[in-house]
Amino acid sequence: EIVLTQSPATLSVSPGERVTLSCRASESVRSYLAWYQHKPGQAPRVLIFDAFTRATGIPARFSGSGSGTDFTLTISRLEAEDSAIYYCQQRNTWPLTFGPGTRVEIK
Amino acid sequence: QLHLQESGPGLVKPSETLSLTCIVSGDSISSYPAYYWGWVRQPPGKGLEWIAAMSYSGGSFYNPSLKSRAAISVDMSKNEFSLTLSSVTAADGALYFCARMVWSFWDLWGQGTLVTVSS
Repeated sequence: EIVLTQSPATLSVSPGERVTLSCRASESVRSYLAWYQHKPGQAPRVLIFDAFTRATGIPARFSGSGSGTDFTLTISRLEAEDSAIYYCQQRNTWPLTFGPGTRVEIK
Repeated sequence: QLHLQESGPGLVKPSETLSLTCIVSGDSISSYPAYYWGWVRQPPGKGLEWIAAMSYSGGSFYNPSLKSRAAISVDMSKNEFSLTLSSVTAADGALYFCARMVWSFWDLWGQGTLVTVSS
């Protein structure tokens, strides 16, 4: 099973700041990595798939990069509505696995 | 527009079998033969955990951590898919989501149904 590790666990950021979230895989997942935003009481929403492709309707301030074992989700300028938990997920190998998540809080 | 809606008991007793159904509306599951349909759960205060997935054309996959307690199936006549989880314990209490996976990511989700395991 591929283990995904996310860092940091929690981030407190002011609106307008740049946010960088990390996801590291225990072995290569090639580019089969997705990022999700999850807010309380809502279903998770895919932001990025295949490492860097922005999903339909996702604002341009969200971007993804990386391949192999190291990936990054960047929010160029944080907005209040971006307060959520962010998960990475790999699909390169069954079983599918999610990272433990990074909580982004607004200062 | 495709819509997913979970249906389930809410409360299940320890050692019993949990049965959940995902009702698909707006289009037919058979219209997406290459997609996967599956279940993800979130225990209280914890992260997302993938449970199972299957495609209309065949092939189902499970999280090995569930030790063969899970089974996923599809009922094309009702346009829905289901999850059963046997021998449940308190650790199986969670918010259960059904979702559709396209290629490599889950693109469409239900709103989730809360399951509590308690006697």
